[in-house]
Amino acid sequence: AQKITQTQPGMFVQEKEAVTLDCTYDTSDPSYGLFWYKQPSSGEMIFLIYQGSYDQQNATEGRYSLNFQKARKSANLVISASQLGDSAMYFCAMREGASNYQLIWGAGTKLIIKP
Amino acid sequence: DSGVTQTPKHLITATGQRVTLRCSPRSGDLSVYWYQQSLDQGLQFLIQYYNGEERAKGNILERFSAQQFPDLHSELNLSSLELGDSALYFCASSVVEGQYYGYTFGSGTRLTVV
Repeated sequence: AQKITQTQPGMFVQEKEAVTLDCTYDTSDPSYGLFWYKQPSSGEMIFLIYQGSYDQQNATEGRYSLNFQKARKSANLVISASQLGDSAMYFCAMREGASNYQLIWGAGTKLIIKP
Repeated sequence: DSGVTQTPKHLITATGQRVTLRCSPRSGDLSVYWYQQSLDQGLQFLIQYYNGEERAKGNILERFSAQQFPDLHSELNLSSLELGDSALYFCASSVVEGQYYGYTFGSGTRLTVV
């Protein structure tokens, strides 16, 4: 079974609109962390936001926020006021367990911002 | 610049050959992780080192090996290369094991096997 599922292979969004990228995860471990990374066409992997399983509040980092719904096992990324520079691949990843430190990755969503 | 340096940025080599990818972690980071990003498999964890010791292994082929040296830089060795090994290989580092804010990625080495 997929541990991280990103159901949107690609999305087109108008500039300045908000966009939500979906991520669902599967784990039975109570301790885990969820990450979002951005990969522009240049290839580097850029950290955006993190949510720990015990965090009570949804994480926010500037224009990025994470809609964490623990019971539904979803961790959707919300980008407010999208910009042309937001066009990239977006990956959701999970660190599973208190003693596992490697990341398990989703397949990614290609986001294209239209002017 | 993320602070994690990977060399070379691009590598083209023939099947059957051996290559070495190098990673210098961010200053102060003790843990190094290697990931492979391919078109068919997506992003996969290969191996993790912490302060010179192997800590975890993922889907790393027996033809691949890695090590972390006393100065904390790491090398990933890929041998008997096959066409399917063509991928983007990332190194990431963290201060200690798994602290979320410490997962810093290098810009990757793009390996093309012809």
